Amino acid sequence: QSVLVQPPSASGTPGQRVTVSCSGGGSNIGSNNVNWYQQLPGTAPKLLIYTNNQRPAGVPDRFSGSKSGTSASLAISGLQSEDEADYYCAAWDDGLNGVVFGGGTKLTVL
Amino acid sequence: QVQLVQSGPELKKPGASVKVSCRASGYPFTTYAVNWVRQAPGQGLEWIGFINTKTGKPTFAQGFTGRFVFSLDTSVNTAYLQINSLKAEDTAIYYCARDHGVARLDNWGQGTLVTVSS
Repeated sequence: QSVLVQPPSASGTPGQRVTVSCSGGGSNIGSNNVNWYQQLPGTAPKLLIYTNNQRPAGVPDRFSGSKSGTSASLAISGLQSEDEADYYCAAWDDGLNGVVFGGGTKLTVL
Repeated sequence: QVQLVQSGPELKKPGASVKVSCRASGYPFTTYAVNWVRQAPGQGLEWIGFINTKTGKPTFAQGFTGRFVFSLDTSVNTAYLQINSLKAEDTAIYYCARDHGVARLDNWGQGTLVTVSS
């Protein structure tokens, strides 16, 4: 049971907009920044969004992040087949004094 | 460019130890902590902890104290994860990642598969 809660799966058709939610609590999302990771099949995770809504260099602006209270969301617009991957949210937890990950959301492009 | 290169796959028997290396290049090694993350087969990401590369001080997640050891060799820009008294449930891919601050892991190693089987 992960500290951060994500839906196990999401799907969309090419060109659609999809969102992935991440729900936490006051000791993690409520008081710290959220980061999102993309893991393509058979590869290492890659930082996709940091500090709630910032994109590292090279990440397309189709990917965006937001945070409100103790929840965060990742939005992918103009969905493409290469976006099919697992997506994880993560944040520092002040109570656990460590990083907590969401359980991951498997995105399928139909 | 920033790179983290990990050692190759390992097959160990229960009760043995394993040491995974993570060699960093492309940046001043002692500027950023190194985190370790585990991914069991078909499962999600699990944070093991991190090591401060300036001081060598480790921080572990709950459930990873005792058998897990972090170490450094700053002369070769390398961090190590050692797991003692291996159990079958330690079978997983282990990743190292550079820590840009507060769960912002901005560069990852390619992962090392550790298989524990008799």
